[in-house]
Amino acid sequence: EDQVTQSPEALRLQEGESSSLNCSYTVSGLRGLFWYRQDPGKGPEFLFTLYSAGEEKEKERLKATLTKKESFLHITAPKPEDSATYLCAVQGGAGFQKLVFGTGTRLLVSP
Amino acid sequence: DSGVTQTPKHLITATGQRVTLRCSPRSGDLSVYWYQQSLDQGLQFLIQYYNGEERAKGNILERFSAQQFPDLHSELNLSSLELGDSALYFCASSVDGTGGVIQYFGAGTRLSVL
Repeated sequence: EDQVTQSPEALRLQEGESSSLNCSYTVSGLRGLFWYRQDPGKGPEFLFTLYSAGEEKEKERLKATLTKKESFLHITAPKPEDSATYLCAVQGGAGFQKLVFGTGTRLLVSP
Repeated sequence: DSGVTQTPKHLITATGQRVTLRCSPRSGDLSVYWYQQSLDQGLQFLIQYYNGEERAKGNILERFSAQQFPDLHSELNLSSLELGDSALYFCASSVDGTGGVIQYFGAGTRLSVL
């Protein structure tokens, strides 16, 4: 069964203090690993898709990387507006398109 | 704005009742997915429809059912509601039902069963 574990559960940073969020996964035939951002009371907002080990993608202060067992979301010089819950999800093979989500990392960036 | 529209935003009802949640996918998207998000379990996949036909099922209770109509909007029906059904229900859509395709999420319907 596909599984996703995210760590830490919560992370508090000062503005400008860079850090990384971890997403460990087990999946049968990875078809995609997805990062979403979720603000309280809102739906997940798509950030990145990674398809194969070694792939990297960047968007503003965020950079996502992928290995065969885990993905990292690096946050460089974060701002208070980066505060949110970051969700990692995998989509496996076997012909299914469902996303299997981790429980997320709650990030709080203080000014 | 993801382009996925869900109504209503909030629903408050009593145990034993039945409710219907509605989802309009992004323009051009053929596939619709339903997810449930509760405090203790995170986002859980319920069911997927592609162009009007059921494509995949997750941990969806027998009291729950869904359908996708010819205009591609979808409805999730929840019946014999229990306190434990209180959660956020999200709809997502994608251009097709193939692997690796991005799913875009709506703002959700918050269901409170009292």
